[in-house]
Amino acid sequence: QQPVQSPQAVILREGEDAVINCSSSKALYSVHWYRQKHGEAPVFLMILLKGGEQKGHEKISASFNEKKQQSSLYLTASQLSYSGTYFCGTELEGSNYQLIWGAGTKLIIKP
Amino acid sequence: DAGVTQSPTHLIKTRGQQVTLRCSPKSGHDTVSWYQQALGQGPQFIFQYYEEEERQRGNFPDRFSGHQFPNYSSELNVNALLLGDSALYLCASSSLFSGRVNEQFFGPGTRLTVL
Repeated sequence: QQPVQSPQAVILREGEDAVINCSSSKALYSVHWYRQKHGEAPVFLMILLKGGEQKGHEKISASFNEKKQQSSLYLTASQLSYSGTYFCGTELEGSNYQLIWGAGTKLIIKP
Repeated sequence: DAGVTQSPTHLIKTRGQQVTLRCSPKSGHDTVSWYQQALGQGPQFIFQYYEEEERQRGNFPDRFSGHQFPNYSSELNVNALLLGDSALYLCASSSLFSGRVNEQFFGPGTRLTVL
């Protein structure tokens, strides 16, 4: 049931773009994205609901493909502050109140 | 506005002991979820409390139990500690959202080490 995130890790230069994917084998109601910096708590980025629109703020956006049960997180013109581990949390159709989290994608941004 | 607070920040216990972790949710939030996060892994859902009741439970044994108080704060209790219980325990608070999972605010976590 755990969603699969890819890639496991990515190293970028400041200003480059990145895409992080999250795939589930189960039907999803929503996908949640969080970023966790080393030694800190996860911080909410956005929620994508089934039937909803692509979300985004500043240079971070995401999409949700219901047919493929897949979500993608897009980071454009990456900044040093984007470094951290990105997690997707999936809420299954018919399953309330619970998020199932992926193993995370570690993003390293170099100057 | 105080965010989510957790105590203690670190804890060292030996196998077989019992531990209680505490969480105070963000002001205005009525729902508390507990997660276990092993090193290098994503959070694993333990359970969620709403209106002082356990509303949903993940795949954790009965050794893990919890409580929510009338002021919405919550406790996580783990009995008969095992070495494998060593992890970061995260508390997340949220407000009810049409019966679905809403944006969650996480506390700094409690690092539990079982020797």
